Amino acid sequence: AQKITQTQPGMFVQEKEAVTLDCTYDTSDQSYGLFWYKQPSSGEMIFLIYQGSYDEQNATEGRYSLNFQKARKSANLVISASQLGDSAMYFCAMRVRIRDQFYFGTGTSLTVIP
Amino acid sequence: EPEVTQTPSHQVTQMGQEVILRCVPISNHLYFYWYRQILGQKVEFLVSFYNNEISEKSEIFDDQFSVERPDGSNFTLKIRSTKLEDSAMYFCASNQDPNTNYGYTFGSGTRLTVV
Repeated sequence: AQKITQTQPGMFVQEKEAVTLDCTYDTSDQSYGLFWYKQPSSGEMIFLIYQGSYDEQNATEGRYSLNFQKARKSANLVISASQLGDSAMYFCAMRVRIRDQFYFGTGTSLTVIP
Repeated sequence: EPEVTQTPSHQVTQMGQEVILRCVPISNHLYFYWYRQILGQKVEFLVSFYNNEISEKSEIFDDQFSVERPDGSNFTLKIRSTKLEDSAMYFCASNQDPNTNYGYTFGSGTRLTVV
């Protein structure tokens, strides 16, 4: 069975500081992809970053980076230099090769404080 | 950048009524999906669709739900007789090739409220 766990229901960070959102996953499939999505209060799902299970380098996209530790089955999102517009829900998700669907975590609500 | 378009953005319906949620996937995508997010909860897979057939469905996707690609551009989710617990955000997604993780795109969602 596939499972994504996000243990931080809410996080606060000071503007311009870095923040790490935790995500652990469980799958027996060797081929999988890990994703982070941002969901602002308006509700849409905004793709942030992707990491493949065979990728050796940690993914980076602008201020977002993914700290991928395969042995620990963790895929934490690091947001550097937080901005007020980063306040939103953040979902970690996984897609495995054998099943054509996403598995989502329960999300972390991030609030950036001025 | 290509988008998955969902209409309406918000729909209110009476309990027991039928509702159709509409999606226009990215034009060269062949694989289509619906997901549901009950308020405050995680996003859950409902169904995947390819070549005019359901490929996979979750246990949530019972006989009350159906999907259809009525023409070359639209992909719809129908709920036959809505219940209060169907109130949720419904996301459509599309993908060009399920063997790759790139290109999987979600729409902006339809917020369904059943009263």
